[in-house]
Amino acid sequence: KAGVTQTPRYLIKTRGQQVTLSCSPISGHRSVSWYQQTPGQGLQFLFEYFSETQRNKGNFPGRFSGRQFSNSRSEMNVSTLELGDSALYLCASSQRRGSNTEAFFGQGTRLTVV
Amino acid sequence: GDSVTQMEGPVTLSEEAFLTINCTYTATGYPSLFWYVQYPGEGLQLLLKATKADDKGSNKGFEATYRKETTSFHLEKGSVQVSDSAVYFCALSEPSGGSNYKLTFGKGTLLTVNP
Repeated sequence: KAGVTQTPRYLIKTRGQQVTLSCSPISGHRSVSWYQQTPGQGLQFLFEYFSETQRNKGNFPGRFSGRQFSNSRSEMNVSTLELGDSALYLCASSQRRGSNTEAFFGQGTRLTVV
Repeated sequence: GDSVTQMEGPVTLSEEAFLTINCTYTATGYPSLFWYVQYPGEGLQLLLKATKADDKGSNKGFEATYRKETTSFHLEKGSVQVSDSAVYFCALSEPSGGSNYKLTFGKGTLLTVNP
């Protein structure tokens, strides 16, 4: 069974640009969550999608957005990039929504904003 | 809101030493508790979990017991190996009317095991 696939693995963007990251969950998983990982803030929750609907959102500005497609694949978009957006962005998928459900993580996309 | 506090390290041990990484949490209800591990250049992998008080999660020689009275979920291993070198994250997930599903993570603890 293929794991969670995130593309691209690495990105370098310039301040002010926008970027789109992609996440393909494990087959059969309908819940996809996104996290931002930085050395200073650690792992912070961005948002969760289930059945193409955003179900939960973390404390990030509106420049961060996402969507989920009918095949459960998800994308997140960051507009008007800032230097502080440089981070590892991790996607996690799970079969269902529930507090004890195991989340499976992808390898992440390393975004560098210059 | 929910929060997780874990010893930040870094922790450096010799092979076969005993490992403890402390983790305490704050939650309003009855969360599920997790330990995730991140090897260099990789995403996070679930190491173990516990879903109710007094549950013990275990995997690959690692153990952690859900202690509601002390709101703790300390990670232990009796004899670490070089291959255990990684960053370890304590996390919780708390149900909230079925509409709030997210993992809240601690800052992570870097473990280095020397031969």
